[in-house]
Amino acid sequence: SYVVTQPPSMSVAPGETARITCVGSKIEDKGVFWYQQKPGQAPVLVMYYDKVRPSGIPERFSGSNSGNTATLTISRVAPGDEADFYCQVYDNYRGVFGGGTKLTVL
Amino acid sequence: EVQLVESGGRVVRPGGSLRLSCAASGFIFDDYGMSWVRQVPGKGLEWVSGINWNANDAGYADSLKGRCTISRDNAKNSVHLQMNSLRVEDTALYYCVRVRTGSYHDGYDLWGQGTMVTVSS
Repeated sequence: SYVVTQPPSMSVAPGETARITCVGSKIEDKGVFWYQQKPGQAPVLVMYYDKVRPSGIPERFSGSNSGNTATLTISRVAPGDEADFYCQVYDNYRGVFGGGTKLTVL
Repeated sequence: EVQLVESGGRVVRPGGSLRLSCAASGFIFDDYGMSWVRQVPGKGLEWVSGINWNANDAGYADSLKGRCTISRDNAKNSVHLQMNSLRVEDTALYYCVRVRTGSYHDGYDLWGQGTMVTVSS
């Protein structure tokens, strides 16, 4: 079965750039979705089809997908961005989530 | 108000059955696919099942295939997940989610608050 791998955690200082990766075999051939989940809340879709931002998501959030790696980039990180981030793809019409990355804003 | 409200979660014995329901409101329900995603508290997200807008296409995670059935009632703006032969490892918070298109294999732009299923003897 298809596997997507995320780093379990990362830390960035306020104002810096966070790049959260999602690695899977030829992931560039799949559309990647990204979700942000803050403590005690349901996840929120922050990116779809690799690089399309839903309405209401700040322009500081961007996405890319090439080769075996999809990346969610958060520019000018703010304390309110601290959350768990999950990537998701579909393989044979089954959803597959990455294990999640806990983003800590120092 | 646009929202999804889940119900049906409870404590159930291993081997038991459960039917989860999700009531949708505030949007044209049959424009969208629907899915279920679960999360063990403190752990990651796991896709469970999805159904397209008119219920002629559905999919299931391998971990639940053969043990659960997803259905929807467009007249009642609701989606259901029937789960059988429940196992301890099915214990999780189950989210009902709206798929952003009519298929079930797309991103999820609306989430409920979840209903907790606990499988324990």
